[in-house]
Amino acid sequence: AQSVAQPEDQVNVAEGNPLTVKCTYSVSGNPYLFWYVQYPNRGLQFLLKYITGDNLVKGSYGFEAEFNKSQTSFHLKKPSALVSDSALYFCAVRDPNGDSNYQLIWGAGTKLIIKP
Amino acid sequence: SQTIHQWPATLVQPVGSPLSLECTVEGTSNPNLYWYRQAAGRGLQLLFYSVGIGQISSEVPQNLSASRPQDRQFILSSKKLLLSDSGFYLCAWGRGDGSYNEQFFGPGTRLTVL
Repeated sequence: AQSVAQPEDQVNVAEGNPLTVKCTYSVSGNPYLFWYVQYPNRGLQFLLKYITGDNLVKGSYGFEAEFNKSQTSFHLKKPSALVSDSALYFCAVRDPNGDSNYQLIWGAGTKLIIKP
Repeated sequence: SQTIHQWPATLVQPVGSPLSLECTVEGTSNPNLYWYRQAAGRGLQLLFYSVGIGQISSEVPQNLSASRPQDRQFILSSKKLLLSDSGFYLCAWGRGDGSYNEQFFGPGTRLTVL
């Protein structure tokens, strides 16, 4: 069965330090992978995606993510965290070979707190 | 460019009252449309999706229903709200041509059922 795991409920990072938000997935084929961010009482904003090609994907607000096929992971990273990065982050996956009618499978979300 | 609208932004309704939430998309045609509910500011629950006018697929059996009367309009309804219907309702769209299909979200509606 297709699934996405975000093993950390919350991640705390000091401002200026690098951050990593973890995501692992399970799909039968080659996955399409996505990261979204949600600020309080707002809709989700698309950050970046991996479809094919370079394993390191760059996205909005200085975020990047690395696709690791052998570890079935797609961790979100940023070299230097800002207080304004504090938000809820969601990882999602789609199996393009699945009969999903373009649905995304969502992780449970990770709350990122950046402390000044 | 494409935009997605939801209204109302907030809603407080008594138990047993009806519900109608509206979502419209601009700047694209034949989108896939989705209704999600988010409880307690965490995980997303897919409620309904639609790949075309009048075509609705339900993911979770409950007292909610959805309709798509026009290509870029998606409505979430209930005849009688329950306390458990409280939550943050998000509408999203994705490209209907099957390309990659990241979803783009509206601003959401905060529903409180009292």
